[in-house]
Amino acid sequence: EIVLTQSPGTLSLSPGERATLSCRASQSVSSNYLAWYQQKPGQAPRLLIYGASSRATGIPDRFSGSGSGTDFTLTISRLEPEDFALYYCHQYGSSPLTFGGGTKVEIK
Amino acid sequence: QVQLQESGPGLVKPSGTLSLTCVVSGGSISSSNWWSWVRQSPGKGLEWIGEIYHSGSTNYNPSLKSRVTISLDKSKNQFSLKMSSVTAADTAVYYCARAAAGITLDYWGQGTLVTVSS
Repeated sequence: EIVLTQSPGTLSLSPGERATLSCRASQSVSSNYLAWYQQKPGQAPRLLIYGASSRATGIPDRFSGSGSGTDFTLTISRLEPEDFALYYCHQYGSSPLTFGGGTKVEIK
Repeated sequence: QVQLQESGPGLVKPSGTLSLTCVVSGGSISSSNWWSWVRQSPGKGLEWIGEIYHSGSTNYNPSLKSRVTISLDKSKNQFSLKMSSVTAADTAVYYCARAAAGITLDYWGQGTLVTVSS
C-alpha cells in the first residue's frame, strides 16, 4: 500500500499569507491520481484538488495543486479566514486507496 | 446535486456486527461511479474501507477485507456496509462517499459516529 506523509504537521500563518503544504508518497502515484481535501470540525472532507492539479467544482482559484510521481504540493496563495482547517492528501491510483495524516493550518 | 446520507446504530457491542446504510439522492446508484465507505478515528485518521460498483463488483481494504461486506440495493438507491467482529478499535465516524471516475471521492455524506462498547 502507498503511504502518504504530509508535512508540516501544523502550519501557523496569518490571513493573507501564502500556505505551502507537502505530501510525499512511498512509491509513485499512478496517473498522478492525487487529491487534496479540506476538513473543518464536525464536517466531512471537501474535495479541493484531484488529478494532482485540477480544481474541483466551485473551488476558488487561490487553491492550486502541483507535483507528480511521489512529491505533491497544495498551495493556498492568500489565506482567507475560512481556509484555516485541516488538509489531507489522498491517492486513488492504486488499491487500497490511502490518505495522508493531515496538515493543520492554524491562525498565527 | 448528489447527496448521501448515512444511517444505522450509533452503538454496537464488542464482537457484534456494525451495519450502516447510505441513501443516495440527486443521482442514480446505477451511474458509472464507485460507491465507497471511509472511516475516521482519532488514532488512525482517514481510512478507506472499500467500494462497490453498480454491477456489484467490490474492492476492499486488505486490512479489513475479512470482516467487511459492501452491498447495494438499486431499488432503494442505497448501498450498505457490514463489519463483523467489531472491537473498540472500530469506533469511528463512518462516511459514505461517491468516487467519480478519474476524480475520486467527490461527494460525501455528513458522517455517522459508531461507538463500539458494551
